[in-house]
Amino acid sequence: EVQVVESGGGLVQPGRSLRLSCTASGFTFGDFAMSWFRQAPGKGLEWVGFIRSKAYGGTTEHAASVKGRLTISRDDSKSIAYLQMNSLKTEDTAVYYCTRDLGNYYGSGSDYWGQGTLVTVSS
Amino acid sequence: QSALTQPASVSGSPGQSITISCTGTSSDVGGYTLVSWYQQHPGKAPQLLIYDVSKRPSGVSNRFSGSKSGNTASLTISGLQAEDEADYYCSSYTSSSTWVFGGGTKLTVL
Repeated sequence: EVQVVESGGGLVQPGRSLRLSCTASGFTFGDFAMSWFRQAPGKGLEWVGFIRSKAYGGTTEHAASVKGRLTISRDDSKSIAYLQMNSLKTEDTAVYYCTRDLGNYYGSGSDYWGQGTLVTVSS
Repeated sequence: QSALTQPASVSGSPGQSITISCTGTSSDVGGYTLVSWYQQHPGKAPQLLIYDVSKRPSGVSNRFSGSKSGNTASLTISGLQAEDEADYYCSSYTSSSTWVFGGGTKLTVL
């Protein structure tokens, strides 16, 4: 059974850092791109970014709104994707979702989603 | 990149068909065959309904279909059922190598 499970969320002060983890199972993790999305309370979905598989360079793309502060990486040996979040702002408060992406280079649709992890940025 | 435009709400009666539109520009929806649709029930994670404009993942009902014309993509739900009541989001690849979402559409089954 395919599963992705996010962890690492919590309450953090503005300006601080947090790292989210996404542990995957039930599929060959290294063969897939992985994406991160977020959803602020009561708001719509927002794409955060994705990381290609090593076969496609393992490179990343990030939304302009988070570029330079939020960074996606992966460790294929552990089947984990990470979202490093630096210089956090109150507007980063959201549920963060990790997903498996059907696409390779450009991304496509995300067919498996985690349950999400809540990040609250507040003093 | 500006968000894609979706109607805030649509409604329909059981058994009917409804269509949700998603309008972008030639830099996103109109420029690529990379449009996805998601369904989200309250308090739940989104579920992929359609990807690459019109492809359905395994396990998704064939009552859901996607299409695109110019800068507008559409999701059609046929044979509306009570459990279809949810929020629906479209998403498109953009010329900036990013993905952009629509604001979401709340479907009410009357």
